[in-house]
Amino acid sequence: SQQGEEDPQALSIQEGENATMNCSYKTSINNLQWYRQNSGRGLVHLILIRSNEREKHSGRLRVTLDTSKKSSSLLITASRAADTASYFCATDAGGFKTIFGAGTRLFVKA
Amino acid sequence: SQTIHQWPATLVQPVGSPLSLECTVEGTSNPNLYWYRQAAGRGLQLLFYSVGIGQISSEVPQNLSASRPQDRQFILSSKKLLLSDSGFYLCAWSVRLGLAIITDTQYFGPGTRLTVL
Repeated sequence: SQQGEEDPQALSIQEGENATMNCSYKTSINNLQWYRQNSGRGLVHLILIRSNEREKHSGRLRVTLDTSKKSSSLLITASRAADTASYFCATDAGGFKTIFGAGTRLFVKA
Repeated sequence: SQTIHQWPATLVQPVGSPLSLECTVEGTSNPNLYWYRQAAGRGLQLLFYSVGIGQISSEVPQNLSASRPQDRQFILSSKKLLLSDSGFYLCAWSVRLGLAIITDTQYFGPGTRLTVL
């Protein structure tokens, strides 16, 4: 079974609104990452949060991590049409492996 | 700066034909290398990873194989393609963090769209 699973599977919002995506995982981790993928392209790394961190910011992105609940959230503030993409969380699965969730498809309407 | 290349970008192959996808990384040494497959609208499935020349770990028993003939070259192959091999193949690399056995940020190539007919 997948280590990380995102929720919701799809999200449609208006430009200017905030978008929140959640990720749950099953086993203990060293770090959790969020990636973005535009349609038909490779993934782009957005942010990495380590297991001893609770919150991290990068521009309009805010990531939280709750290791007691084995969950993370990605908040995109003041969304833009260009934020339309799929967003994936990824967790280390031991060794050099990273396990990706199925992703949240975000659509931002102009 | 580091860059990662994949080719070809798209490929249409008949069932039973061979496959060779190539991935090269520039601007770094001794990277960890990864091959993933992504089905339409789905997440990434790790196929192979490599921590050094000639060192390949396979995650899923299947019709594919991987090789790493040079430090920054990673090749995905098949002797006979199946319909189920269709998908979007992504190569990625990450920095080797000394002796630490831990994953960190991965940098992805542009991908190869494979259609098996």
